Amino acid sequence: AQSVTQPDIHITVSEGASLELRCNYSYGATPYLFWYVQSPGQGLQLLLKYFSGDTLVQGIKGFEAEFKRSQSSFNLRKPSVHWSDAAEYFCAVVGTTSGTYKYIFGTGTRLKVLA
Amino acid sequence: DTEVTQTPKHLVMGMTNKKSLKCEQHMGHRAMYWYKQKAKKPPELMFVYSYEKLSINESVPSRFSPECPNSSLLNLHLHALQPEDSALYLCASSQTDRGHGTGELFFGEGSRLTVL
Repeated sequence: AQSVTQPDIHITVSEGASLELRCNYSYGATPYLFWYVQSPGQGLQLLLKYFSGDTLVQGIKGFEAEFKRSQSSFNLRKPSVHWSDAAEYFCAVVGTTSGTYKYIFGTGTRLKVLA
Repeated sequence: DTEVTQTPKHLVMGMTNKKSLKCEQHMGHRAMYWYKQKAKKPPELMFVYSYEKLSINESVPSRFSPECPNSSLLNLHLHALQPEDSALYLCASSQTDRGHGTGELFFGEGSRLTVL
């Protein structure tokens, strides 16, 4: 069965520091992978996605992620974190159930940014 | 227009009330979704509508009743809810739910439901 694991429940970084959020997936074929961000009380916003091609994908707000098939990982990175990046981050993979595609979300990583 | 609009933003209801949550998108998307999200948890899929037909029901209790009147609208009818149903209810849409047309989910801001 398809699954997504985000090993870090909480991460705290100082403003201006670099950031890496980890995501591991389990999927038999080439996955569709996503990173979403959710600010408190809000819906989810797409940061970036990977379908195929270049394994390093660029997203909004200065985020990037690298797909590594050998490690079944899709880690999110940002070179310099801003205080406004404090939020919940969800990694997701699209899997299939009886021919219908379903999005499977990881448990999320809560990012705290210190001034 | 890349928005998914949900109303109301906040809803408080008693266990005997009947209410509805509404969701609208004008992106021409043919798949629409209801998710339930409890605090500090990921969204949990409830229902998927594909081309206005219910394609996935994740064993949701019958006190939640979805409806897709047309390709732009999605409703969630609520009746006889329990306090544990209090949560953020998120609507989302995508271009389609099948094959290579599958793309990102566009989420609304959610409806915060409190059941007393």
